[in-house]
Amino acid sequence: QVQLVQSGAEVKKPGASVKVSCKVSGYTLTELSMHWVRQAPGKGLEWMGGFDPEDGETIYAQKFQGRVTMTEDTSTDTAYMELSSLRSEDTAVYYCAIAGYSSGWYLDVWGKGTTVTVSS
Amino acid sequence: QPVLTQPPSSSASPGESARLTCTLPSDINVGSYNIYWYQQKPGSPPRYLLYYYSDSDKGQGSGVPSRFSGSKDASANTGILLISGLQSEDEADYYCMIWPSNAWVFGGGTKLTVL
Repeated sequence: QVQLVQSGAEVKKPGASVKVSCKVSGYTLTELSMHWVRQAPGKGLEWMGGFDPEDGETIYAQKFQGRVTMTEDTSTDTAYMELSSLRSEDTAVYYCAIAGYSSGWYLDVWGKGTTVTVSS
Repeated sequence: QPVLTQPPSSSASPGESARLTCTLPSDINVGSYNIYWYQQKPGSPPRYLLYYYSDSDKGQGSGVPSRFSGSKDASANTGILLISGLQSEDEADYYCMIWPSNAWVFGGGTKLTVL
């Protein structure tokens, strides 16, 4: 059974970058399609991007293009999400999630989340 | 990105049924998409519940009770999550999701209160 372990909470200043990690166990990262979703305090879920299982490429939500980079280290089965030019509105819990397939792709297994606080 | 509309809140009593809706924009036909549903409790990540495309194409998440079910109302362009036999543990936020093309889109979520 796949499990996702995310890195710890971060506090960053506006304009800085943050890099969140998500380590996979139970499977190798190359077998999986990893995605990132965030949730601002008291708000809903927002998909940021991930590995498109149909096209075989990393895709980003239009809102984050140019500011987010998602990478993978297959030697350690760890995925990374780096968000740059942080602003207060980026304060959120960031989740990694694995895509599953059941008549269509969906987000199946989720990490516990990493809290990122952007504050001067 | 399309916007999926969910009522911000809903309430029902234990033992009753709760019907949560997810309305798609008019340019996206609900009949063409799987509607996925998630449950989220405070301090926890979302939990996948189920998907619904049609009565012959639907699926339940692992360990999800059968009292959670999905449907659609094509006339209202809406996906529906029905929770029957409500229990106090069902009190949570519920999100719908679709994959229109190369992106996942979530609804704003409905907070379900079990009175």
